[in-house]
Amino acid sequence: EDQVTQSPEALRLQEGESSSLNCSYTVSGLRGLFWYRQDPGKGPEFLFTLYSAGEEKEKERLKATLTKKESFLHITAPKPEDSATYLCAVQAYGAGGTSYGKLTFGQGTILTVHP
Amino acid sequence: GAGVSQSPRYKVTKRGQDVALRCDPISGHVSLYWYRQALGQGPEFLTYFNYEAQQDKSGLPNDRFSAERPEGSISTLTIQRTEQRDSAMYRCASSLGTAGRITEAFFGQGTRLTVV
Repeated sequence: EDQVTQSPEALRLQEGESSSLNCSYTVSGLRGLFWYRQDPGKGPEFLFTLYSAGEEKEKERLKATLTKKESFLHITAPKPEDSATYLCAVQAYGAGGTSYGKLTFGQGTILTVHP
Repeated sequence: GAGVSQSPRYKVTKRGQDVALRCDPISGHVSLYWYRQALGQGPEFLTYFNYEAQQDKSGLPNDRFSAERPEGSISTLTIQRTEQRDSAMYRCASSLGTAGRITEAFFGQGTRLTVV
């Protein structure tokens, strides 16, 4: 069974204080790893897709990296508007190499950035 | 439409009643997903369609839950004989790709179901 564990559960930062969020995963065959941002009362908003170990993607103050067992979301010089819950999800290959649409999510990391 | 649209946004129902939750995906999106999200948790997979075909329903909790997408566009998630434990946020998502092509999923605002 696919499993995703995110840490820490909550993170408080001062504006400008860089840090990283962790996503550890167990999956039979990784097709893709996704990062989403979720604001209170809203649906998850897509950030990145990573496909293979060693891959990195960047968007503004965010950079996502991937190894064979985990992914990190690095936040450089965060601002208060970066405050949100960050969700990690994996999509696995099915039996015989076919892929399935199912995403397995972690529980999320609640990030709060204080001015 | 511009995004995934779900209706109603809020639904309060009495225990034992049936409810139908609607999802209108982004135009042209082949894949459609239903998730359930408890407060403080990530979304939990329920079921997945490619066009009108239900490819995976392994996440449906029991046989009171069903979903359909008869014309490959709008989908309905139906919960029969609702119970208090069914109270949750139900989220729909759609993506452009089929099973052979990985594309990101876009989520709707969700339907908050409360069973009293």
